[in-house]
Amino acid sequence: IAGITQAPTSQILAAGRRMTLRCTQDMRHNAMYWYRQDLGLGLRLIHYSNTAGTTGKGEVPDGYSVSRANTDDFPLTLASAVPSQTSVYFCASSPDRVSYNEQFFGPGTRLTVL
Amino acid sequence: GQNIDQPTEMTATEGAIVQINCTYQTSGFNGLFWYQQHAGEAPTFLSYNVLDGLEEKGRFSSFLSRSKGYSYLLLKELQMKDSASYLCAVDRGSTLGRLYFGRGTQLTVWP
Repeated sequence: IAGITQAPTSQILAAGRRMTLRCTQDMRHNAMYWYRQDLGLGLRLIHYSNTAGTTGKGEVPDGYSVSRANTDDFPLTLASAVPSQTSVYFCASSPDRVSYNEQFFGPGTRLTVL
Repeated sequence: GQNIDQPTEMTATEGAIVQINCTYQTSGFNGLFWYQQHAGEAPTFLSYNVLDGLEEKGRFSSFLSRSKGYSYLLLKELQMKDSASYLCAVDRGSTLGRLYFGRGTQLTVWP
């Protein structure tokens, strides 16, 4: 693995189903993030984690949950998917240094909820 | 609240120069990033400014004025491959997920 990966690449899901989007990074970055990107709205932060074992809510956390059991993995779970969660989901990571916080993005997961 | 404004769309021709503006009002400031995002792809890093002034990197330059809450991205010698969305993002320097993104400017470069 080089960088940050996401799985699946795309998914069509029936409303009410549970879904976990996976994200793995091998850069040993402390911080990880989940964004959703919708046309006209840009990137909006769902949840973040500053370090393994801690998570926090972003701008649009409702309907989503995350966990950070280790440094590398940051899965995003939709407990009961709804059509408004149709979006492109990007995972990102950063070294989270105080002086500089460039975020590196995964390739994205395109999710359609019917 | 947080507010970052960018033009929604811009067009230009190959070989020209284009300036994409970004104004921001955020709680906390620890630097400003510009990202490029081609259709169907992930955002990729272009530039970072934390001090006032111009940062030049090849055909791309970025400017910051902290007192005015203003930045711009300057693209010179435009090429067709520069057609993409350009995202302005402010590092709020807080624990709240750090980067706050604007909605992006879709640039189309015509031959």
